[in-house]
Amino acid sequence: NAGVMQNPRHLVRRRGQEARLRCSPMKGHSHVYWYRQLPEEGLKFMVYLQKENIIDESGMPKERFSAEFPKEGPSILRIQQVVRGDSAAYFCASSPTNEQFFGPGTRLTVL
Amino acid sequence: GESVGLHLPTLSVQEGDNSIINCAYSNSASDYFIWYKQESGKGPQFIIDIRSNMDKRQGQRVTVLLNKTVKHLSLQIAATQPGDSAVYFCAEPLKFYFGSGTKLNVKP
Repeated sequence: NAGVMQNPRHLVRRRGQEARLRCSPMKGHSHVYWYRQLPEEGLKFMVYLQKENIIDESGMPKERFSAEFPKEGPSILRIQQVVRGDSAAYFCASSPTNEQFFGPGTRLTVL
Repeated sequence: GESVGLHLPTLSVQEGDNSIINCAYSNSASDYFIWYKQESGKGPQFIIDIRSNMDKRQGQRVTVLLNKTVKHLSLQIAATQPGDSAVYFCAEPLKFYFGSGTKLNVKP
């Protein structure tokens, strides 16, 4: 059973471009979570999704950020018109119930 | 409580010594906690969990203690090894709360 997969592992974007981060949960997991982590800081919750539904997006910035978890395919975290402050590591986790299993993360650098 | 952007506290221990890493929480109704280990450049890795109906749980070389009276968790690592060097943080996954973590440095 493969773990949580995220791609790309590293993503470089210029200011104003769009960033798309993908997360494939573990097989059988229907819950997906996205977190952001700045250097030397803890994880900050962004959004919790189940298939085709956003359950909790209380941690998502109001503008430019969106997330989806379609019926087929990976979960996508989309950041439009990126700014330098979006540079961070973005982690995805999946779970069958309570315990969250994390992917290796995508490191976004905005130039 | 929310995770805040503080520089990580650091704990340095000698190889072979025991390590104790602490975590405080604010919500007395919290009922499930996980300790994670995060190595540089990697995602968090589950170490051990504990429910509020327990005050102690043991794994391989690790023990988690839960003191509900003072709302405090600790992670004890026995016979710390260089491979234990990482950032450790507690989490309340049901509330999406992750502590800012403690960086453990193990000196050979």
